Amino acid sequence: QSALTQPASVSGSPGQSITISCTGTSSDFADFHYVSWYQQHPGKAPQLLIYDVRYRPSGVSHRFSGSKSDNTASLTISGLQAEDEAHYYCSSYTSTSLVFGGGTKLTVL
Amino acid sequence: EVQLVESGGGLVQPGGSLRLSCAASGFTLSSYEMNWVRQAPGKGLEWVSYISNGDSGISYADSVKGRFTISRDNAKNSLYLQMDSLRAEDTAVYYCVKAAGTAADNWGQGTLVTVSS
Repeated sequence: QSALTQPASVSGSPGQSITISCTGTSSDFADFHYVSWYQQHPGKAPQLLIYDVRYRPSGVSHRFSGSKSDNTASLTISGLQAEDEAHYYCSSYTSTSLVFGGGTKLTVL
Repeated sequence: EVQLVESGGGLVQPGGSLRLSCAASGFTLSSYEMNWVRQAPGKGLEWVSYISNGDSGISYADSVKGRFTISRDNAKNSLYLQMDSLRAEDTAVYYCVKAAGTAADNWGQGTLVTVSS
C-alpha cells in the first residue's frame, strides 16, 4: 500500500486543464516538501516533470505545474494535448528513499 | 549527455539469484546518490534500494531487505543490484535511477526480471 494516494484515473479534452492530486496518508509524509512528479508513457521509463513541489527541469513544458497545500500535492496540466496521455506518479523524498504514489492514468478524450 | 544502461535481467527460478548492472555515462557515478526502482507488470513504481554518494548510506525497501544488495564500482562507473532468494513477486522491470537532490532526474531504460519455474 502506497503512502501517497493518487486518483486511479483522470480525463480531459484537448485544450482543457486537469489536476492530479497526491495526498500523504502517513504522518511521516504529512509535511513533505520534496514532492516530485513523473510521466510515464507505455513501455517507456518514467521522466521527471516536477521537483521540490513546483520546479520544472530544463526542457519540461510550462504547461506542467506543481503546487502543494497542507498534505496534498497537485500536478496541473494546462492546454491538454494528445501526447500528454500517460501515467503520472507523485513521489516524496526522504533522506534515504523515495516513496511513490500508486499512479494516475490520464486519458485525453 | 547522461545515460544509464541496465543489464543482467532474465528468467530465473524461485530461490535463484541474479545480478543487475547499470553502466553510467555522461557523469561521475560516485558523485551522486543512486537508486533502484522496480515496476511489476501493469503496476506502479516501487522504490527498491538507495546508495549515497559516499557509499556511507545504504537502504532497502522492507520487501527486499536481507535478500538484495546494492553496490557500485566507481572505477567502472557502474551500479549493481545483487538479488538473492528471488520470489515470484520480484518479477518486474528494474530501473537504475540517478538522484539529483530530492528527485530522480535520470532513469535507465530498465531490465526485465522474471521469477518463475
